[in-house]
Amino acid sequence: KNEVEQSPQNLTAQEGEFITINCSYSVGISALHWLQQHPGGGIVSLFMLSSGKKKHGRLIATINIQEKHSSLHITASHPRDSAVYICAVTASGGSNYKLTFGKGTLLTVNP
Amino acid sequence: SAVISQKPSRDICQRGTSLTIQCQVDSQVTMMFWYRQQPGQSLTLIATANQGSEATYESGFVIDKFPISRPNLTFSTLTVSNMSPEDSSIYLCSVVDRAETQYFGPGTRLLVL
Repeated sequence: KNEVEQSPQNLTAQEGEFITINCSYSVGISALHWLQQHPGGGIVSLFMLSSGKKKHGRLIATINIQEKHSSLHITASHPRDSAVYICAVTASGGSNYKLTFGKGTLLTVNP
Repeated sequence: SAVISQKPSRDICQRGTSLTIQCQVDSQVTMMFWYRQQPGQSLTLIATANQGSEATYESGFVIDKFPISRPNLTFSTLTVSNMSPEDSSIYLCSVVDRAETQYFGPGTRLLVL
């Protein structure tokens, strides 16, 4: 069974701080996703990656396939970054779109 | 990109009743999925909505409880039948477009009393 574990569960930061959220998984994967969920429930896909590193604006995602670990970094955090960040994976050999999700990390950025 | 809308955005229902949630996409998509997120839990895939045929359900989900329709490439419905308080969740529609990019809808927040 593929488990996806995120840490921390909750994170509070001051505006401007550098933030790291971690994700570990237990089986081989074909891709890892980082998603952002706002209080209303809607989800936005931030990154999909299978190796290396991706950057979009102030967000950076990295993955280490050998260690089965990924991190999401936010530089110069802002209160509008407050949301739940979810890590999800697709297992190797399975459908590319059947995702196993972590429970999410609730990020609160205070002004 | 695909823009997804869901109706209703939220609802409060009495136990024993049923609610149908609609998912509309602004472009034709290859795949449509329905997910559930119970309070404090991870998102869980309910089923894959197949155009013109019966949906493919994941373990633990059955058609009698969660009937799904997908009459065309842009629209799907999920019905939560004979609801109980345990069905209180966020229900999310997700699609994959022709570029194989996955998108998620805004969600339907359901509370069953």
